[in-house]
Amino acid sequence: QKEVEQNSGPLSVPEGAIASLNCTYSDRGSQSFFWYRQYSGKSPELIMSIYSNGDKEDGRFTAQLNKASQYVSLLIRDSQPSDSATYLCATTGGFKTIFGAGTRLFVKA
Amino acid sequence: SQTIHQWPATLVQPVGSPLSLECTVEGTSNPNLYWYRQAAGRGLQLLFYSVGIGQISSEVPQNLSASRPQDRQFILSSKKLLLSDSGFYLCAWSPRARSDFNYGYTFGSGTRLTVV
Repeated sequence: QKEVEQNSGPLSVPEGAIASLNCTYSDRGSQSFFWYRQYSGKSPELIMSIYSNGDKEDGRFTAQLNKASQYVSLLIRDSQPSDSATYLCATTGGFKTIFGAGTRLFVKA
Repeated sequence: SQTIHQWPATLVQPVGSPLSLECTVEGTSNPNLYWYRQAAGRGLQLLFYSVGIGQISSEVPQNLSASRPQDRQFILSSKKLLLSDSGFYLCAWSPRARSDFNYGYTFGSGTRLTVV
């Protein structure tokens, strides 16, 4: 069974620090990788996509992909209280996307 | 721009009653459409996906069904709800792409269903 594993957290970081979120996946055929942010009671929102090995930066967010290790990470620089949410890692092989259960992040002011 | 509408936002239904949730997408054509369910504190479970009108793939055998009567309309139904059907139901769309590639999903605002 194809799986995406994340530490459920909660991960607590002080305001202004770097938050590091990690994810591993089992399907070596996965081609597309995503991070979604989900605020409590709301639907997930796509914040990062990455398709090739290495780093991809978008503002305060950096996604990192290592296909050999089947590992995806998300770094959030200068963390803000508004970043407090659950972050879902997801991978796609074919038409279906498999989601991890998410990591809860708390940013303390 | 593309938008996705999902309704109702909340629903409380008795066990054994029918269900119909609707999702529509605007501003795009030929989208891939998906229904996911999220149980409290859990991850997203794929229920159905569709790559075209009338084309439905089911991921989880259960008392739910899905239909796509129009290109940008996706409906989730049940004839008789169970207590275990409670959860947060999410519709999502993605642009049509080749099967080994995906642009990521845009989710609707979700329907919180409580079966009592």
